[in-house]
Amino acid sequence: NAGVTQTPKFQVLKTGQSMTLQCAQDMNHEYMSWYRQDPGMGLRLIHYSVGAGITDQGEVPNGYNVSRSTTEDFPLRLLSAAPSQTSVYFCASRPGTGGFETQYFGPGTRLLVL
Amino acid sequence: GDSVTQMEGPVTLSEEAFLTINCTYTATGYPSLFWYVQYPGEGLQLLLKATKADDKGSNKGFEATYRKETTSFHLEKGSVQVSDSAVYFCALLSGNTPLVFGKGTRLSVIA
Repeated sequence: NAGVTQTPKFQVLKTGQSMTLQCAQDMNHEYMSWYRQDPGMGLRLIHYSVGAGITDQGEVPNGYNVSRSTTEDFPLRLLSAAPSQTSVYFCASRPGTGGFETQYFGPGTRLLVL
Repeated sequence: GDSVTQMEGPVTLSEEAFLTINCTYTATGYPSLFWYVQYPGEGLQLLLKATKADDKGSNKGFEATYRKETTSFHLEKGSVQVSDSAVYFCALLSGNTPLVFGKGTRLSVIA
């Protein structure tokens, strides 16, 4: 198993540009989520999904869109990038919603918005 | 809502020193508790977990006990190594809600 994969590893954008961060998992996990990590702020939840076709907002959803058309993929879209979105983005997945499963993280995407 | 509070860092220790990182939580139900570790330049990975009161999670010499009476899950290691330098996150999970993280504690171990 590849686990949770994210592409790209690094990206530089100009203010106003759009892009999609890709996330895929091959473990047939129902639950997937996106976090951003900023210095001194820990991890903040952006969006999450409890299954294909179902998404919900986390703590900091503004400026980001998600969709979940398949179990495997959970892309994160930045519609119009802003410098405040400079961060490291992590995708994660876990088997289901039993309340005790381990969550697995991807290696992260480092984004710089100029 | 549910929340996790862990001690502020950074924590700097000499090799072979004893480590404690405090973690307390607030939750309405009976959550599962986790410690995740993030090595430099990497994503988070599970270090250990406990799913019910009085359970002890352990891995790589680290231990933590789920204490319901004090709502705590403190991380301990008897003798740290330079390779343990990382950021440690305490987290809780209740049912189908998102995982709730503490802010993380950076540990630096010097030889």
